[in-house]
Amino acid sequence: EAGVTQFPSHSVIEKGQTVTLRCDPISGHDNLYWYRRVMGKEIKFLLHFVKESKQDESGMPNNRFLAERTGGTYSTLKVQPAELEDSGVYFCASSQDGSYGYTFGSGTRLTVV
Amino acid sequence: GQQLNQSPQSMFIQEGEDVSMNCTSSSIFNTWLWYKQDPGEGPVLLIALYKAGELTSNGRLTAQFGITRKDSFLNISASIPSDVGIYFCAGRGLGGSQGNLIFGKGTKLSVKP
Repeated sequence: EAGVTQFPSHSVIEKGQTVTLRCDPISGHDNLYWYRRVMGKEIKFLLHFVKESKQDESGMPNNRFLAERTGGTYSTLKVQPAELEDSGVYFCASSQDGSYGYTFGSGTRLTVV
Repeated sequence: GQQLNQSPQSMFIQEGEDVSMNCTSSSIFNTWLWYKQDPGEGPVLLIALYKAGELTSNGRLTAQFGITRKDSFLNISASIPSDVGIYFCAGRGLGGSQGNLIFGKGTKLSVKP
């Protein structure tokens, strides 16, 4: 089965620009998660979708971040406008039954300059 | 918020040696998880622990859920070069939603052949 796919794998943008990250979960996985790791720090939870609904978005840093999950399939995470502190690796993960057997994608490395 | 203190931050060992790393918290966790991240990939779940005192093995890996519920350790026996990577502990604290995992900062393991 195909894994969790994220793209782009890398993105370099200027401060103030907009970037959209995409995640395609494993087919049939209702639960989709976004996490972020800032350089040298811990991986931090951003939000959790169950199908197209946001189950928990307590980790979203501010209103510059907008996550959507169209029809309960793929998800996008938009950062607008990007700031320097948004740089890091953004991970998406999915699971079928909400258990901790998440499958993580390879991540999108975002660099804001 | 809840935090996990993971140590050591990095380890450089000889092939064949045993490895030990741990995570501690000032607050109680209901679940402890250990992940490994290879370069350019997302974290992969190694071991999940759900009960205080639980000791679980996965091949050469052994992890324990501390009896106080505030700590966990991971041991790797007879290390081999493919053990290289970053190991993360993660947990779900009291009151945390199912999808909201708290991660440690990681232990970077290097193995010298």
